[in-house]
Amino acid sequence: NFILTQPHSVSESPGKTVTISCTASSGRIASKFVQWYQQRPGSAPTTVIYEDNQRPSGVPDRFSGSIDSSSNSASLTISGLETQDEADYYCQSYDSSDQGVFGTGTKVTVL
Amino acid sequence: EVQLVESGGGLVQPGGSLRLSCVASGLTLSNYNMNWVRQAPGKGLEWVSYISSSSSTIYYADSVKGRFTISRDNAKNSLYLQMNSLRDEDTAVYYCARLTGVGYWGQGTLVTVSS
Repeated sequence: NFILTQPHSVSESPGKTVTISCTASSGRIASKFVQWYQQRPGSAPTTVIYEDNQRPSGVPDRFSGSIDSSSNSASLTISGLETQDEADYYCQSYDSSDQGVFGTGTKVTVL
Repeated sequence: EVQLVESGGGLVQPGGSLRLSCVASGLTLSNYNMNWVRQAPGKGLEWVSYISSSSSTIYYADSVKGRFTISRDNAKNSLYLQMNSLRDEDTAVYYCARLTGVGYWGQGTLVTVSS
């Protein structure tokens, strides 16, 4: 089974930077695109990063995505943390059969 | 503005059936591969099913294989999920979503399986 593992939670003060990892259990994470979704309480997910490091229009450049082949992981970095960034974040990619897989999810708390 | 609007959720007894619909506006659905994703109460996102733009390729999560059927009607700009033999563990908010490119999500429809 292809699993994407994320830290359960991260916390940081406003203005600081947080980085959320998404580690693949098998295969090469760099072989398939990774997306990142933000989900605020009571709302549907929205895309903050697609195709590893692309930002949809309207998403501030405080959000950035990257791939680290050496650790077989993807990362979402949020810089200049704001209270409105408090949400759950999920990575998403595809397994070897091109079936969708979501990460375990990370709760970001702005202290 | 792109909108995906799901409907068809509700309360159903174990073993029952429901058909979910997703209608798109501001987006020509026939151009895109689409998915259903669900989220059980207090839990994370779970991919459920995928259908290619022409319906030629379909995938299901093991948890729903043999019970759920995904389909689409490009002329109606719509996506469907027929859910049969529903179980308690199918209780969730169901989202239709495009997971490639920019990505679009509907607002979700709640399915509750309970006696």
